[in-house]
Amino acid sequence: SQKIEQNSEALNIQEGKTATLTCNYTNYSPAYLQWYRQDPGRGPVFLLLIRENEKEKRKERLKVTFDTTLKQSLFHITASQPADSATYLCALGDAGNMLTFGGGTRLMVKP
Amino acid sequence: GAVVSQHPSWVICKSGTSVKIECRSLDFQATTMFWYRQFPKQSLMLMATSNEGSKATYEQGVEKDKFLINHASLTLSTLTVTSAHPEDSSFYICSAARQGAWGNQPQHFGDGTRLSIL
Repeated sequence: SQKIEQNSEALNIQEGKTATLTCNYTNYSPAYLQWYRQDPGRGPVFLLLIRENEKEKRKERLKVTFDTTLKQSLFHITASQPADSATYLCALGDAGNMLTFGGGTRLMVKP
Repeated sequence: GAVVSQHPSWVICKSGTSVKIECRSLDFQATTMFWYRQFPKQSLMLMATSNEGSKATYEQGVEKDKFLINHASLTLSTLTVTSAHPEDSSFYICSAARQGAWGNQPQHFGDGTRLSIL
């Protein structure tokens, strides 16, 4: 069965450092992968989308890589700030707009 | 932007009550809307896909008679939890995809509805 794994343990880093979150998947061939941010009691907010034929995508302080051979995506936040503290979800998508979400990783950026 | 409004944001009601949750796309037309359920510290679990003008497609294990979905227009989908019981207590979130978009598109999420059944 399809499985998407994100580190369930919280990631604690110091302000100004680069946060790196991992998303691994098995038994899946996604057409694309998305990353979302979710704050407590709120709905997810879309951050980045990367397609299966793309290796890397950037947006401001965010960078996503996608390795379909390793079946892994890495999500980087450079120059992290306390305001970046949230849960980050990766989601794999098929051609029909259907998304399957990972369990999310909570990021805590300490001042 | 792409704004999705979900209402109400929280509901507390007695067991046996039916509860309706609305999901509206405010500044775009959504051919497809999705309904998710999320338990504390867990991922979003897709319940059903709602297509405008047609019956919803439910995921395995989701009772369609329990969770009634109506997608009457390109900007509104509703989820009705019928005869709700304490085990139905959860965080329900809707999302919408733009009309005409097919594949490789982000979903735009509402802020969820916290449902508590006493």
